[in-house]
Amino acid sequence: KQEVTQIPAALSVPEGENLVLNCSFTDSAIYNLQWFRQDPGKGLTSLLLIQSSQREQTSGRLNASLDKSSGRSTLYIAASQPGDSATYLCAVVYQAGTALIFGKGTTLSVSS
Amino acid sequence: GAVVSQHPSWVICKSGTSVKIECRSLDFQATTMFWYRQFPKKSLMLMATSNEGSKATYEQGVEKDKFLINHASLTLSTLTVTSAHPEDSSFYICSERTGNKNTEAFFGQGTRLTVV
Repeated sequence: KQEVTQIPAALSVPEGENLVLNCSFTDSAIYNLQWFRQDPGKGLTSLLLIQSSQREQTSGRLNASLDKSSGRSTLYIAASQPGDSATYLCAVVYQAGTALIFGKGTTLSVSS
Repeated sequence: GAVVSQHPSWVICKSGTSVKIECRSLDFQATTMFWYRQFPKKSLMLMATSNEGSKATYEQGVEKDKFLINHASLTLSTLTVTSAHPEDSSFYICSERTGNKNTEAFFGQGTRLTVV
């Protein structure tokens, strides 16, 4: 069964810290991987998309890496801010044009 | 990124009534729409996949007669929860894919359904 696991489930850090969120997937034959942000009661905001042939993607303070062979991805957030507080979801696609398979997310709380 | 508009953002209905949720792609043609359901503290679970002009494909365990999906045009897909019950209370969210399969997936704002 193709599953996505995110660790930790929750994380609390003080403002300014750098942090890493982890995502692992059981079947390494992914087509691409996407990181999302979800605020409480809201939809999903796409953060970064990594194709299977890529190793990392960067957007501002965010950096996502992909190690397809080991079935892992990390989302690195630099200099965290209270506004970064949200749930971060990792999702993979195994075939082009098909639905995403999601992890349960990591809920991040950044205190000022 | 692409804009997906989902409406309503929340709805409260009585048991036995039906609720329609709309998902519109505002600046592109969505050939495929995905409908997900999210329970508290759980990941998003795919309910069904709809392609414009054809019948939706439902995931195992999802009742197609209860969750009616229509994708009549390239810009609009609807999910109707029929004869709603309290156990149908959940967060429903749509996602689109354009013809370019390498693009990111974009999501609607989600609909919080509460059945009383």
